[in-house]
Amino acid sequence: EDQVTQSPEALRLQEGESSSLNCSYTVSGLRGLFWYRQDPGKGPEFLFTLYSAGEEKEKERLKATLTKKESFLHITAPKPEDSATYLCAVRHGSSNTGKLIFGQGTTLQVKP
Amino acid sequence: DAGVIQSPRHEVTEMGQEVTLRCKPISGHNSLFWYRQTMMRGLELLIYFNNNVPIDDSGMPEDRFSAKMPNASFSTLKIQPSEPRDSAVYFCASSFGQGILFFGSGTQLSVL
Repeated sequence: EDQVTQSPEALRLQEGESSSLNCSYTVSGLRGLFWYRQDPGKGPEFLFTLYSAGEEKEKERLKATLTKKESFLHITAPKPEDSATYLCAVRHGSSNTGKLIFGQGTTLQVKP
Repeated sequence: DAGVIQSPRHEVTEMGQEVTLRCKPISGHNSLFWYRQTMMRGLELLIYFNNNVPIDDSGMPEDRFSAKMPNASFSTLKIQPSEPRDSAVYFCASSFGQGILFFGSGTQLSVL
């Protein structure tokens, strides 16, 4: 069964304290791993898509990496405005649809 | 572009009442998704349309839930009769083909 597991569930950091969020997946043929950011009361907002092991993408203080079994979202020198829930999702190859399967998310709090 | 537009933003109703949630996807997108988000289960895909045709409704919890997409610019998700366990945030998302999903702001549903 396709599964996406994110850890930790919650993470508290001091401003400037770098860390990483993990997304482990088991899918039958990965056709894309997606990272989204969700702020309270809003819908998920797209951050990155990764397609193959070894791929990396960066945006400001965020960098996403991908292996054959997991993805990491590295946050370098975070600021309070990075506080949000970060969601990982996968699109699997056995399906000809565009649907995404989401993990439970990691709620990040960055204190000044 | 205004993005994916959902209405209403909040809905409070009593058990047994009919609830209709509405979604206007991004113009030009040909895929539309309805997701439900709860603390316990995270983001779950309910149903997926491609070119206005329902492709995958395996996530629809039971016959009380129905969804329609009469044209490329409008979709509804109906719950009849509603139950307290239906309380959740319902998101609509759209994409072009198997591209990035763009989410609306969601409808917060409370069934008393």
